[in-house]
Amino acid sequence: AQSVSQHNHHVILSEAASLELGCNYSYGGTVNLFWYVQYPGQHLQLLLKYFSGDPLVKGIKGFEAEFIKSKFSFNLRKPSVQWSDTAEYFCAVTPNRDDKIIFGKGTRLHILP
Amino acid sequence: EAQVTQNPRYLITVTGKKLTVTCSQNMNHEYMSWYRQDPGLGLRQIYYSMNVEVTDKGDVPEGYKVSRKEKRNFPLILESPSPNQTSLYFCASSAGGGPSTDTQYFGPGTRLTVL
Repeated sequence: AQSVSQHNHHVILSEAASLELGCNYSYGGTVNLFWYVQYPGQHLQLLLKYFSGDPLVKGIKGFEAEFIKSKFSFNLRKPSVQWSDTAEYFCAVTPNRDDKIIFGKGTRLHILP
Repeated sequence: EAQVTQNPRYLITVTGKKLTVTCSQNMNHEYMSWYRQDPGLGLRQIYYSMNVEVTDKGDVPEGYKVSRKEKRNFPLILESPSPNQTSLYFCASSAGGGPSTDTQYFGPGTRLTVL
């Protein structure tokens, strides 16, 4: 079955630390990839997306992600996190550019001030 | 302001009492979708709709119904709610071909408790 795996369920970092959140998907065909963020008490917002072209995608708030097709991965990175990045992060995939979208289970990120 | 609205935001009900959660978007989006969010399980798609009168099952459709009679509205119906449907529900919409081609915009969520 198609699935999305996020390796870290809970990550705690200090401000200014570098961040990398892992995401792997289990589908061999063409995919579109997304990272969404949910700040405490708020709804989901799109951070960035990959449809085609340059596999290094830049999003809002200094986030970026790299699509590595051979590894079925789409890891999220930020060189220096801030306290305001405390949130839950979801990786998502639309297999075969389908109408359905599959979300990972989320990674809860906590930044210590 | 472009937005997706859901009502109610919070609901406590009892097993078996039919309920409807409304979802409305003002962006003229073709695609709308419902998700439930549970701790440790992330978001799971319940139903989605590519356009008026077109609906399809997501990954967890059991116990839910939807309808799409108008483009802007996509209500979620629980005919006979059960405690395992206690969850946080999100409605979302996007233009054109849905999440594979366009960004989804999410509503604020509805927290449902079924006793």
